[in-house]
Amino acid sequence: GAGVSQTPSNKVTEKGKYVELRCDPISGHTALYWYRQSLGQGPEFLIYFQGTGAADDSGLPNDRFFAVRPEGSVSTLKIQRTERGDSAVYLCASSRPGNEQFFGPGTRLTVL
Amino acid sequence: GQSLEQPSEVTAVEGAIVQINCTYQTSGFYGLSWYQQHDGGAPTFLSYNGLDGLEETGRFSSFLSRSDSYGYLLLQELQMKDSASYFCAVLSGNTPLVFGKGTRLSVIA
Repeated sequence: GAGVSQTPSNKVTEKGKYVELRCDPISGHTALYWYRQSLGQGPEFLIYFQGTGAADDSGLPNDRFFAVRPEGSVSTLKIQRTERGDSAVYLCASSRPGNEQFFGPGTRLTVL
Repeated sequence: GQSLEQPSEVTAVEGAIVQINCTYQTSGFYGLSWYQQHDGGAPTFLSYNGLDGLEETGRFSSFLSRSDSYGYLLLQELQMKDSASYFCAVLSGNTPLVFGKGTRLSVIA
């Protein structure tokens, strides 16, 4: 079956703009995770959904970041008033509870 | 908090064996995972150790010692395609995975 997909693959925006990043998890995976990865670093946890609810959003860096998963499948990560420091690859992963996480290809966000 | 330490870079010869170590500090430890990531690609799951000992999957093996807060990934019969970054990641309590900074493996001829 299809893996985790993320759109867009690349996003270039200007400082101060709003962006939305989309993640389509593997069908049947109830757990969905967002990570951020900077060059030379490991993935950094942002937020975790179990079904429709955010089970843990402790990794969101500030209130400019928000994520939703209204129907328990597709999730959208929203970033308001983007800053240059937000530039990174945003990774999404999904899993069955307690099982290995499958990662999507990521969205490379560049804030100019 | 949680922290993981792994070497930043390792170089090994094609056909050889390489071991990538990972030490961790965490509370409520459940297990240690390993992921591989090629440049520009997504992390892919390699192995998970929830109990002490060695887990073997083909050319890759992973070891865990809970008492020493230590694990390693062993890659045998290295191939050029094994050149990638390797991340250890800790699963603890109800928190999602915490990743190390990764070890960049270069396989040379």
